Amino acid sequence: GAGVSQSPSNKVTEKGKDVELRCDPISGHTALYWYRQSLGQGLEFLIYFQGNSAPDKSGLPSDRFSAERTGGSVSTLTIQRTQQEDSAVYLCASSQDSFSTDTQYFGPGTRLTVL
Amino acid sequence: DAKTTQPTSMDCAEGRAANLPCNHSTISGNEYVYWYRQIHSQGPQYIIHGLKNNETNEMASLIITEDRKSSTLILPHATLRDTAVYYCIVRDTKIYNQGGKLIFGQGTELSVKP
Repeated sequence: GAGVSQSPSNKVTEKGKDVELRCDPISGHTALYWYRQSLGQGLEFLIYFQGNSAPDKSGLPSDRFSAERTGGSVSTLTIQRTQQEDSAVYLCASSQDSFSTDTQYFGPGTRLTVL
Repeated sequence: DAKTTQPTSMDCAEGRAANLPCNHSTISGNEYVYWYRQIHSQGPQYIIHGLKNNETNEMASLIITEDRKSSTLILPHATLRDTAVYYCIVRDTKIYNQGGKLIFGQGTELSVKP
């Protein structure tokens, strides 16, 4: 079946602009995660959604970052007033639930470049 | 979540077994050991996970020591396509209300050579 998809695959923007990154999780998966991977860095957790519960925003680096998940499916990560340090690959993952034994399936990522 | 320690890089000859070690000396009884890998320019891919017993699937085997302080991921017959960064992650079983976020370390960069 279809995996996690993300769009766009690449995004180049100018410093100070807002960007929106989209994630389509696997159908039926109730848990959705956003991570980012900066050049030379490991993957860091950003935000997590589980069903209708309040999202876990503990990984968001600043208030310029926000995310929403509409209808329990598609999610959008928004970065306002982008800075050069926001340049990274943004990865989305989904799992059937949030139990620790549930496998997370990752999308291909969106490579964001802030000039 | 417990911290893991992995070698920065390893080489393996094509067709030979690749044995990737991971130390997790502070692991608690509630924590699973997970392995993911990331091939260049792709998202991470799940490989295998275990709690106490050794596990095997179509991709790999996971050997966990009796004291659970370390584990080894085994790729029985490595191919060039197994070249990737391999991440060992420990993950609490009792975090339903906190979500199942993965905390990635730096991983081991495995290079499979012809």
